[in-house]
Amino acid sequence: AQSVTQPDIHITVSEGASLELRCNYSYGATPYLFWYVQSPGQGLQLLLKYFSGDTLVQGIKGFEAEFKRSQSSFNLRKPSVHWSDAAEYFCAVPNFGNEKLTFGTGTRLTIIP
Amino acid sequence: ETGVTQSPTHLIKTRGQQVTLRCSSQSGHNTVSWYQQALGQGPQFIFQYYREEENGRGNFPPRFSGLQFPNYSSELNVNALELDDSALYLCASSPSGRDQETQYFGPGTRLLVL
Repeated sequence: AQSVTQPDIHITVSEGASLELRCNYSYGATPYLFWYVQSPGQGLQLLLKYFSGDTLVQGIKGFEAEFKRSQSSFNLRKPSVHWSDAAEYFCAVPNFGNEKLTFGTGTRLTIIP
Repeated sequence: ETGVTQSPTHLIKTRGQQVTLRCSSQSGHNTVSWYQQALGQGPQFIFQYYREEENGRGNFPPRFSGLQFPNYSSELNVNALELDDSALYLCASSPSGRDQETQYFGPGTRLLVL
């Protein structure tokens, strides 16, 4: 079954610093991959998605992610974080029949002044 | 374009009671999925509805049931509530066609079972 792993439970970054959140996938073929963000007490907002083609994907709020087949990774990056980026970030992959998303355990991002 | 909406936003029930949660899908979306998110965890798939039929189910007992209506809105029903059912319940809708794998989420309903 398809799965994703987010190795980092909690990351703390200074405002203005760069950010990279890790996501590793387990899937036989080229997967579809998603990053979602969840602010405290809120639903999930889609940041970006990878289906095929260009391995560097641009998303909303200045985020980007790079699909690397050789490393089975789809890491999320942002060159300069803002205090409003503090949230929980989830990587997700749909199953073969696309009727469900399987989520990673999430990475909680804290921003310090 | 209206996004996914859910009602109510919060709900408190006691063990053994029944609850109904509601979801209106985004305009033009005909598929609705429901997820349970316990505190500190990622969302877990409950089931999905497509054109009023169940189209996949996760590892949840039969007391979790659902409906989808002709306008593609949906309900999640949970019978015989247990303390462990306390969670954020998320609804997501997705379109048909090219973007069908992408799910767009609502704000969720927070259920507390006492």
